[in-house]
Amino acid sequence: ETGVTQTPRHLVMGMTNKKSLKCEQHLGHNAMYWYKQSAKKPLELMFVYSLEERVENNSVPSRFSPECPNSSHLFLHLHTLQPEDSALYLCASSQVLFYNSPLHFGNGTRLTVT
Amino acid sequence: KNEVEQSPQNLTAQEGEFITINCSYSVGISALHWLQQHPGGGIVSLFMLSSGKKKHGRLIATINIQEKHSSLHITASHPRDSAVYICAVKAAGNKLTFGGGTRVLVKP
Repeated sequence: ETGVTQTPRHLVMGMTNKKSLKCEQHLGHNAMYWYKQSAKKPLELMFVYSLEERVENNSVPSRFSPECPNSSHLFLHLHTLQPEDSALYLCASSQVLFYNSPLHFGNGTRLTVT
Repeated sequence: KNEVEQSPQNLTAQEGEFITINCSYSVGISALHWLQQHPGGGIVSLFMLSSGKKKHGRLIATINIQEKHSSLHITASHPRDSAVYICAVKAAGNKLTFGGGTRVLVKP
């Protein structure tokens, strides 16, 4: 149990589908992050939230839309994805924003776009 | 060239062997993270350090700020240590830059 829970673990979707990834943490952390991990590439930061406010958006295509309704939950809404968006999507949280405290990761959602 | 370079990219060891993974970076940093990623995908934070040395169980992490280098050592390695080990540095601009990872396989 990592303290950060992601659902679903696996997702297969067509390019015209709309789906959402969910992340939940009950560690009392103030910052939450979405990362993308493609095959044979380093982790890429997508979005950062601090106390439900988005503080960073790393030039991510608009077909990815994050939502943070409260400090414990983070969503990533997906629509009109491309096959190259197939990857492992990881959620993380930290006590303090911007990496001055350890990161806690979820187990990820492995997304396949067909 | 990636700002964070890890070596080796792949490492195979026999159970019980001492393992060293290296991380070199090219910018000034305020913190360095070592992470472990198991085949299922989940990532565990092993260490966060900004100077000196930290130890947790059979794992030891060291950092030399002047040389811009960190090492992760695994003593008495075990098959359950098989994973990808990732170095990440916190530099200016509140960014965390990740290395490409070192894939470790420990054979029984």
